Amino acid sequence: AQTVTQSQPEMSVQEAETVTLSCTYDTSESNYYLFWYKQPPSRQMILVIRQEAYKQQNATENRFSVNFQKAAKSFSLKISDSQLGDTAMYFCAFTPLQGGSEKLVFGKGTKLTVNP
Amino acid sequence: ETGVTQTPRHLVMGMTNKKSLKCEQHLGHNAMYWYKQSAKKPLELMFVYSLEERVENNSVPSRFSPECPNSSHLFLHLHTLQPEDSALYLCASSQDYRTGGNTGELFFGEGSRLTVL
Repeated sequence: AQTVTQSQPEMSVQEAETVTLSCTYDTSESNYYLFWYKQPPSRQMILVIRQEAYKQQNATENRFSVNFQKAAKSFSLKISDSQLGDTAMYFCAFTPLQGGSEKLVFGKGTKLTVNP
Repeated sequence: ETGVTQTPRHLVMGMTNKKSLKCEQHLGHNAMYWYKQSAKKPLELMFVYSLEERVENNSVPSRFSPECPNSSHLFLHLHTLQPEDSALYLCASSQDYRTGGNTGELFFGEGSRLTVL
């Protein structure tokens, strides 16, 4: 069974600084997607960034980038120039390439607080 | 503006009540999901409907009953709930991978916060 582990229940960072959220996963699949989702307080969960496992290049989306280490089964999220609006729960998630989104597995989440 | 709308946003009910949660998606997707979100636990997938047929049911108690009348609407009927059922219930939608266009991404609603007294 696939599992996703986020070892940092809570983190905080000063505005404008950089923070890295950790995620590890366990799977026997060779092809899969990895995601980071963001859930702001009392607002909907949205996709931050997506990585296809067959791509060696790390995905980036503006201030958000990942460090994907396939052999180590590690998928960390780096947020540069943190903003107050980045305060949210962040969930790492995994899904195999074969099969529907019903196979999406989430971690427990990391609560990130950006301080002014 | 969200492509997935959930109502009500908040619901308080007694253990003997019957209520329903509603979800509507305006994204043209053909798969819809119910998740349960409890504090300090991973999201728990409850039900999946794809092309209006239930394709996944993760051993959810029968006091939760889903209904998917069409690809845009999803309901979760609640009856005789327990206090431990208090949680945030999230609806999501996606394009089913079998019909193409699936990126693995889910699109979520804002959730219905349920409190069972």
